[in-house]
Amino acid sequence: GAVVSQHPSRVICKSGTSVKIECRSLDFQATTMFWYRQFPKQSLMLMATSNEGSKATYEQGVEKDKFLINHASLTLSTLTVTSAHPEDSSFYICSARDPRGDQPQHFGDGTRLSIL
Amino acid sequence: AQSVTQLGSHVSVSEGALVLLRCNYSSSVPPYLFWYVQYPNQGLQLLLKYTTGATLVKGINGFEAEFKKSETSFHLTKPSAHMSDAAEYFCAVSENQAGTALIFGKGTTLSVSS
Repeated sequence: GAVVSQHPSRVICKSGTSVKIECRSLDFQATTMFWYRQFPKQSLMLMATSNEGSKATYEQGVEKDKFLINHASLTLSTLTVTSAHPEDSSFYICSARDPRGDQPQHFGDGTRLSIL
Repeated sequence: AQSVTQLGSHVSVSEGALVLLRCNYSSSVPPYLFWYVQYPNQGLQLLLKYTTGATLVKGINGFEAEFKKSETSFHLTKPSAHMSDAAEYFCAVSENQAGTALIFGKGTTLSVSS
């Protein structure tokens, strides 16, 4: 079964709205989570690394004030797209590292964000 | 710095035919290499990975990949394609298994015809 739950799976909203996406590790404590963005027919681009209890580390070119990441607990990280615009429409995927296992990351099923 | 190149953005095969998806990597340190599969509107599922040891790695769904250091390659193969194999496949590299974020290739779409 899924070990990382991402919610919502799809959201459609008006331009200017802020949207929050949740990523939960279901049966392990994830000290590190990752947020990716995927454009149609393209690869995943790492946006930021989220560490529990500390500030996220953003990749070059990713606006920190635009994409707010909070990792307040060992099982939950949130990505908030603030004042979203049509160019923010994309597929966002989170992943979480299980320190117990031999896989580097477990991926959520993604969130399809559409800004009208 | 690490990078991944997947040759061929789209591969088409007939059901029962050999599947070969190509991946070359660049890494200044010994790499950890992965193949993931993505079905439409879903996240990624790990097919297989190479860390150390045996260079021929077997994964789920009948897939396997061989790490060839001299060729900096990690091609994915499956002897006989099934219709259910149609999906997007991503090769990825990491510096370590501990949690460094993965660097993905651009992906290869596999189509399987009957």
